[in-house]
Amino acid sequence: NAGVMQNPRHLVRRRGQEARLRCSPMKGHSHVYWYRQLPEEGLKFMVYLQKENIIDESGMPKERFSAEFPKEGPSILRIQQVVRGDSAAYFCATNRGAPKETQYFGPGTRLLVL
Amino acid sequence: DAKTTQPPSMDCAEGRAANLPCNHSTISGNEYVYWYRQIHSQGPQYIIHGLKNNETNEMASLIITEDRKSSTLILPHATLRDTAVYYCIVRVGGGATNKLIFGTGTLLAVQP
Repeated sequence: NAGVMQNPRHLVRRRGQEARLRCSPMKGHSHVYWYRQLPEEGLKFMVYLQKENIIDESGMPKERFSAEFPKEGPSILRIQQVVRGDSAAYFCATNRGAPKETQYFGPGTRLLVL
Repeated sequence: DAKTTQPPSMDCAEGRAANLPCNHSTISGNEYVYWYRQIHSQGPQYIIHGLKNNETNEMASLIITEDRKSSTLILPHATLRDTAVYYCIVRVGGGATNKLIFGTGTLLAVQP
């Protein structure tokens, strides 16, 4: 996990508010993957981004969720109008994107929606 | 990506070897076997991966059967800090997306 930063580590929101989760890759990494882990479940892939491009968003809910990875700065997972079912741990993983390359995970953001 | 089957839980005595099995009978020739673990809601930690040869690093050894339909992760001297959920994942090495598909894993409980 060394090097992949996520913040905040814990986030509390009320229903209807917006949540912004940030992921700063390890040095030299330009590919970011977001995963969600609902309580008592395994991790589920959400979205895969390179700098300024979404490569695979097959796991993203169709509404309220969006992700970006700008040229400068961290990747951001944005959840609009949060609902209680969005309460989960959100992890990002990063790598350089080469074939077969290992993904390294951050410590996660725990989102609690009241 | 091929599916994997793992026992839901295992116990191991501290100091003994922990052998965690994984079945992946539908694995394709270009799919790798990866192992990650997750210690109590922390971010998953990469352990090891392999294609067809056995692999060893400072954390563990990976034994892949000759037909590649199953593998075993070996922690040679388990400690209490190895208590975690261990995930076996098979995936294509490269391509348009490198997403990992996690199953339910094996909860390894190392007993003092």
